[in-house]
Amino acid sequence: DVKVTQSSRYLVKRTGEKVFLECVQDMDHENMFWYRQDPGLGLRLIYFSYDVKMKEKGDIPEGYSVSREKKERFSLILESASTNQTSMYLCASSFRQRETQYFGPGTRLLVL
Amino acid sequence: EDQVTQSPEALRLQEGESSSLNCSYTVSGLRGLFWYRQDPGKGPEFLFTLYSAGEEKEKERLKATLTKKESFLHITAPKPEDSATYLCAVQEAGAGSYQLTFGKGTKLSVIP
Repeated sequence: DVKVTQSSRYLVKRTGEKVFLECVQDMDHENMFWYRQDPGLGLRLIYFSYDVKMKEKGDIPEGYSVSREKKERFSLILESASTNQTSMYLCASSFRQRETQYFGPGTRLLVL
Repeated sequence: EDQVTQSPEALRLQEGESSSLNCSYTVSGLRGLFWYRQDPGKGPEFLFTLYSAGEEKEKERLKATLTKKESFLHITAPKPEDSATYLCAVQEAGAGSYQLTFGKGTKLSVIP
């Protein structure tokens, strides 16, 4: 079974804090993705990575950065958290470009 | 204009009452269409991938079908445990295309 894990289920942070969300997959997948999910807006892609140290912007990269130093780990960084970044963050991974993306359990982030 | 539209937004069924969920898409070339199930507060769980018109996949009470413009998720004799939000996503054909575009989902409630 594919397993994608995320470092926290719930996080509460203050405006202006630097926030790290971590994602780990155990299936040697090439590709990893970060999405956010908001009511009425659905899932939107923030960033993805198709190889170690490689990254591509998704639809809404503003205010976020990412890091992929190892194949199994993909980090999402909020350099200075803002209230409009309160959301559910979902990590996913896939083996190849055309293959199914498998999701982690999500991190619900509240920025006060 | 949304590339992926799911209907209805919400559906209430009596236990045993079969129905279908619709996902219509407008991408110019389809690499794949994906169905996921999402329970409240959790990450999406993969159900099916369809790649070409005419393809069908089945799993327990669920059957997914694909035409050139839409996909249907048929639910036969649903049970209360089938209650969830069902998400459809498409991947557009293209050499550098990794991204999934998601619909906003159909929230299914099955009443005992």
